[in-house]
Amino acid sequence: GENVEQHPSTLSVQEGDSAVIKCTYSDSASNYFPWYKQELGKGPQLIIDIRSNVGEKKDQRIAVTLNKTAKHFSLHITETQPEDSAVYFCAASGEGGGGNKLTFGTGTQLKVEL
Amino acid sequence: KAGVTQTPRYLIKTRGQQVTLSCSPISGHRSVSWYQQTPGQGLQFLFEYFSETQRNKGNFPGRFSGRQFSNSRSEMNVSTLELGDSALYLCASSFLAGTTDTQYFGPGTRLTVL
Repeated sequence: GENVEQHPSTLSVQEGDSAVIKCTYSDSASNYFPWYKQELGKGPQLIIDIRSNVGEKKDQRIAVTLNKTAKHFSLHITETQPEDSAVYFCAASGEGGGGNKLTFGTGTQLKVEL
Repeated sequence: KAGVTQTPRYLIKTRGQQVTLSCSPISGHRSVSWYQQTPGQGLQFLFEYFSETQRNKGNFPGRFSGRQFSNSRSEMNVSTLELGDSALYLCASSFLAGTTDTQYFGPGTRLTVL
């Protein structure tokens, strides 16, 4: 089955700096890669996603890149703000896993310091 | 449009009991997936329902079961509760059940087994 690895597990940045979180996946059949943000006491919130026919996608301060050859994808947050502090999860799904099943990475605790 | 709702938000049970959790998907969404989140194992896929049929199942024992009703609402049941079942149970809905369909999560039900 699919396996998703996520690094780093914790990330501390100064306000205004950029943050990068990286994930690798094992199943070459995976074709959908969402990123979720989870705040304390809440469910994961989708922040951006990318499909395998696209190499990069951007939404304001957030961007995701996908390298299908190397089987890795990354989340980039620019001009970080204190409200960006949360746990971020990458995930993958595709024909190999079947249906809508998402396989998640282990999460990155992002702390944006003033 | 209202988001995914889950009830109850918190539950405390004792070992050996059974529990039923409920999920109402976003209006118009026909697919519901369930995930278990624990500090040790992270986010793990339980099962997925589409049009009242279980389409996919994760690697959990038969004590975990679910169903979906004609209005797309879903319930999951855990019988003979064990201490290790303590977790945040998350429900996610999507419009269809394709591998690239975006899943939106509810706030979760926090289950504590004593």
